[in-house]
Amino acid sequence: GNSVTQMEGPVTLSEEAFLTINCTYTATGYPSLFWYVQYPGEGLQLLLKATKADDKGSNKGFEATYRKETTSFHLEKGSVQVSDSAVYFCALSRSYGNKLVFGAGTILRVKS
Amino acid sequence: DVKVTQSSRYLVKRTGEKVFLECVQDMDHENMFWYRQDPGLGLRLIYFSYDVKMKEKGDIPEGYSVSREKKERFSLILESASTNQTSMYLCASSSTTGYTFGSGTRLTVV
Repeated sequence: GNSVTQMEGPVTLSEEAFLTINCTYTATGYPSLFWYVQYPGEGLQLLLKATKADDKGSNKGFEATYRKETTSFHLEKGSVQVSDSAVYFCALSRSYGNKLVFGAGTILRVKS
Repeated sequence: DVKVTQSSRYLVKRTGEKVFLECVQDMDHENMFWYRQDPGLGLRLIYFSYDVKMKEKGDIPEGYSVSREKKERFSLILESASTNQTSMYLCASSSTTGYTFGSGTRLTVV
């Protein structure tokens, strides 16, 4: 079946450090891939998405590239801020609009 | 502003009670979903529906049922609440244009 594996946290970084959160997936065909973010006490928000191989999703300085050959969708940001502290979820859907399969989530803590 | 509304933000129920969690969307989306969120486990799909009066089991349907009598409303039912159903419950809707999540209901079963 379809599944998503993301790196365990928590990840603790100093402000302005480089961020990578690894995400790999198992799925048949060409799923759509997503990163969602959940800030403390808030709901789930879409951070970025990619719907086909080699697509790069980007938003708020975050980027992720859909790599079919390595079945990966790693999240990166060049310089994190304290306000980026949140839980980040990688997810996939077999086709856009269908059910989402989520990873376990990675807690990011950024220190000033 | 389009949205998914969950009826309660916090709920405390007793073991054995029948619990209803309501979700309403105003986007005319065909698809609706119920997830539960637990630390270290991410979001796990309980039930979903791709049309009115249609429902399909997700990954963890045991102890739950759902109802979708109207397109905009998708209800999650805990037939006899147990302490291991204490969790955050998230409703979502989608179409080919994207997904929208509700704010969640934090349910505590005592």
